[in-house]
Amino acid sequence: AQSVAQPEDQVNVAEGNPLTVKCTYSVSGNPYLFWYVQYPNRGLQFLLKYITGDNLVKGSYGFEAEFNKSQTSFHLKKPSALVSDSALYFCAVRDIDSSYKLIFGSGTRLLVRP
Amino acid sequence: DTGVSQDPRHKITKRGQNVTFRCDPISEHNRLYWYRQTLGQGPEFLTYFQNEAQLEKSRLLSDRFSAERPKGSFSTLEIQRTEQGDSAMYLCASSEDRGVTGELFFGEGSRLTVL
Repeated sequence: AQSVAQPEDQVNVAEGNPLTVKCTYSVSGNPYLFWYVQYPNRGLQFLLKYITGDNLVKGSYGFEAEFNKSQTSFHLKKPSALVSDSALYFCAVRDIDSSYKLIFGSGTRLLVRP
Repeated sequence: DTGVSQDPRHKITKRGQNVTFRCDPISEHNRLYWYRQTLGQGPEFLTYFQNEAQLEKSRLLSDRFSAERPKGSFSTLEIQRTEQGDSAMYLCASSEDRGVTGELFFGEGSRLTVL
């Protein structure tokens, strides 16, 4: 079965510093991986996806993610964090059945302090 | 088109009452998904429609839950005889029929509180 794991419940970083939010995956077949962000009492917003090709994927709001097949990881990164980046981040993997649903991790809360 | 729309945004009900949530997907999207999210957790899949056909249901979807998408456009999720454990955010998402490549677009969610 497809699954993702987000090992950190919370990540704290100072504004202006680089940030990394970790995600590892377990799949049968090719991985199709996604990152979403959720602000309080809001729905999920798509950030970026890895389908195939370059291991470094660029997305919205200056975020990028690095796909690493040997480490089965898909970590989310940003070179310089903003206070407004504080939110809940979810990694997801696409299921390979006919629904193509996304299976989400438990989420990582990012707190950027001024 | 402004994205996926969900109504109501908030619903407070007493245990044992029935509630219904509505989702209007992005107009050209034929795939529609319902998820449930409890506090501090990731969204959990409930059910999936392709056009008007409900093609997959999670084991989380008990007999008290029913979903419809009668004309392949909007969808409703009804919960009968609500229980306190049903308190959660119910998220709707839609996507184009692009196989593995298409991302899901989520609505703002409907938050249910069962007293």
